[in-house]
Amino acid sequence: NAGVTQTPKFQVLKTGQSMTLQCAQDMNHNSMYWYRQDPGMGLRLIYYSASEGTTDKGEVPNGYNVSRLNKREFSLRLESAAPSQTSVYFCASNNRGQSGANVLTFGAGSRLTVL
Amino acid sequence: GNSVTQMEGPVTLSEEAFLTINCTYTATGYPSLFWYVQYPGEGLQLLLKATKADDKGSNKGFEATYRKETTSFHLEKGSVQVSDSAVYFCARSNYKLTFGKGTLLTVNP
Repeated sequence: NAGVTQTPKFQVLKTGQSMTLQCAQDMNHNSMYWYRQDPGMGLRLIYYSASEGTTDKGEVPNGYNVSRLNKREFSLRLESAAPSQTSVYFCASNNRGQSGANVLTFGAGSRLTVL
Repeated sequence: GNSVTQMEGPVTLSEEAFLTINCTYTATGYPSLFWYVQYPGEGLQLLLKATKADDKGSNKGFEATYRKETTSFHLEKGSVQVSDSAVYFCARSNYKLTFGKGTLLTVNP
């Protein structure tokens, strides 16, 4: 079982460049999430998708866009990267609303550095 | 709003020592409470959970009890191992998960 797969694992960008982080899950989960993890800040929710066809802002959405491509895939796009977006990004998924809801399955993370 | 406060690390212990990592939460509604663990270079994974007051979650020798009267969910383990070295996150959920800032635990042999 692959669980949640994120690509790429590492990326270095220059300020102003764009890129997309990919996430796919094979657990038939209906909800997917993007978090960023920064030292001393814990995990902060960027965007989430409660179900296929919907997306909503989280705590820190500025500078990001998302696409729920289908039930399996949820991508995070940085249109014009800034050094403040240097972080480790985690994708996660669950079946919110069902028994065991809010037990998230996380990907291994994508470490992004913006110079 | 919903928030989680956990003790700041880092915490450094010797093998077989007793571990406590404190966690308190805001008492809005009736949240479920969780501890997640992040091993080096990996994503977070669920360690244990409790869904109502007085529930005790347990896994891998770790325990935490949902204390409504003190709005706490402290993580404990009687005898830590080197392999327990990781970052531990407390989290609460009504609708969305809210995480604490994490506590780095290092266990030395």
